[in-house]
Amino acid sequence: DAMVIQNPRYQVTQFGKPVTLSCSQTLNHNVMYWYQQKSSQAPKLLFHYYDKDFNNEADTPDNFQSRRPNTSFCFLDIRSPGLGDAAMYLCATSRDRGRGDWETQYFGPGTRLLVL
Amino acid sequence: AQTVTQSQPEMSVQEAETVTLSCTYDTSENNYYLFWYKQPPSRQMILVIRQEAYKQQNATENRFSVNFQKAAKSFSLKISDSQLGDTAMYFCAFMERGSQGNLIFGKGTKLSVKP
Repeated sequence: DAMVIQNPRYQVTQFGKPVTLSCSQTLNHNVMYWYQQKSSQAPKLLFHYYDKDFNNEADTPDNFQSRRPNTSFCFLDIRSPGLGDAAMYLCATSRDRGRGDWETQYFGPGTRLLVL
Repeated sequence: AQTVTQSQPEMSVQEAETVTLSCTYDTSENNYYLFWYKQPPSRQMILVIRQEAYKQQNATENRFSVNFQKAAKSFSLKISDSQLGDTAMYFCAFMERGSQGNLIFGKGTKLSVKP
């Protein structure tokens, strides 16, 4: 089945130690998104890639970076995690505008990040 | 800035009964999309139903239907004949028609379906 995969499902890191979260997709979608979802809060968009074109949300901290080496993979890098970065990180994909059903986003299961 | 409000943090319903989840939003835009996403425990979020603001007819998907009141900026979800598998977190979300995918979510409603 075509899907969005996130690894690992749970990640523990130390305060200040760089960490990378991974997302891959078999849907061949042009657009990939990263959301942060803190406990009991709404998911919040951090950034998205339209093909290789990176789009950062205005209030995304500089501590968060992303890479998309090819269509299938996208990575979220947190350079110096703080305690406040503990959250669920959701990856999603969609078709680009002009294609059918471009409005629907397909989500992965998320990676829960714990910062010690 | 657009905001989405879900005023019911938790709800419960008996199996086979009907339940309605509330959502209101605030925007100055005229063209947009509204969504309900479902997030079962420990599983990925999936789309339940979506509504295009320029369409007056309420969207329906099997047991799921919406009551879209554009003037009131209200977008409620009705689940008929509730099933145990409907137990999940339900998120209401908004997206401007001119954007590429910036979904703005509410905080969610945790729905429990009881046998």
